[in-house]
Amino acid sequence: RKEVEQDPGPFNVPEGATVAFNCTYSNSASQSFFWYRQDCRKEPKLLMSVYSSGNEDGRFTAQLNRASQYISLLIRDSKLSDSATYLCVVKWSGNQGGKLIFGQGTELSVKP
Amino acid sequence: EAEVAQSPRYKITEKSQAVAFWCDPISGHATLYWYRQILGQGPELLVQFQDESVVDDSQLPKDRFSAERLKGVDSTLKIQPAELGDSAMYLCASSHFRPGASGVQSSYNEQFFGPGTRLTVL
Repeated sequence: RKEVEQDPGPFNVPEGATVAFNCTYSNSASQSFFWYRQDCRKEPKLLMSVYSSGNEDGRFTAQLNRASQYISLLIRDSKLSDSATYLCVVKWSGNQGGKLIFGQGTELSVKP
Repeated sequence: EAEVAQSPRYKITEKSQAVAFWCDPISGHATLYWYRQILGQGPELLVQFQDESVVDDSQLPKDRFSAERLKGVDSTLKIQPAELGDSAMYLCASSHFRPGASGVQSSYNEQFFGPGTRLTVL
């Protein structure tokens, strides 16, 4: 079983749609959680951290359920510029250097 | 805005040849990471440095891969000999993170990635 698993993609949605990505992680000792965005042939960039209370950043909402070891990302009113691969990322506790464990990514394509 | 620098951006080599990648982290960042990203997968940590010391190289194929950060600043990742399965994007990242640091915001430990080196082994 992979340490971080994401919905297989790609997701093809029209502009303005709401899209949700799901992610599960296997290590219950995981400490911190993130969503990264990666454009085609570019480096990953932090989109947002994910907190137990849930958090929102404009059109993006992230949720964490520690009991179920489940993370989600909701994008509302999707834009063409949201087209990218979204990576679910977990940081393990007890690690000296904050090792990040990445999911395989879910590709999103927003069409006009 | 400070960025992580990597070179070369692209490298094509034949199998059994040696290749080397260079990374210059953001100034002042103590921790440096090398990741490998195979097409269609997420990045996977190869090696992590705290200043000049290796703190995690558990996923580094040590029979052919080596990494160093001699002065605790820039770093080199080498593959010798390269194999077909080494074709991937090699990403370098850095962060302020220091073990035992307390009272800092989680954003202080954010990892910033460089543009990567795309390696093709023929």
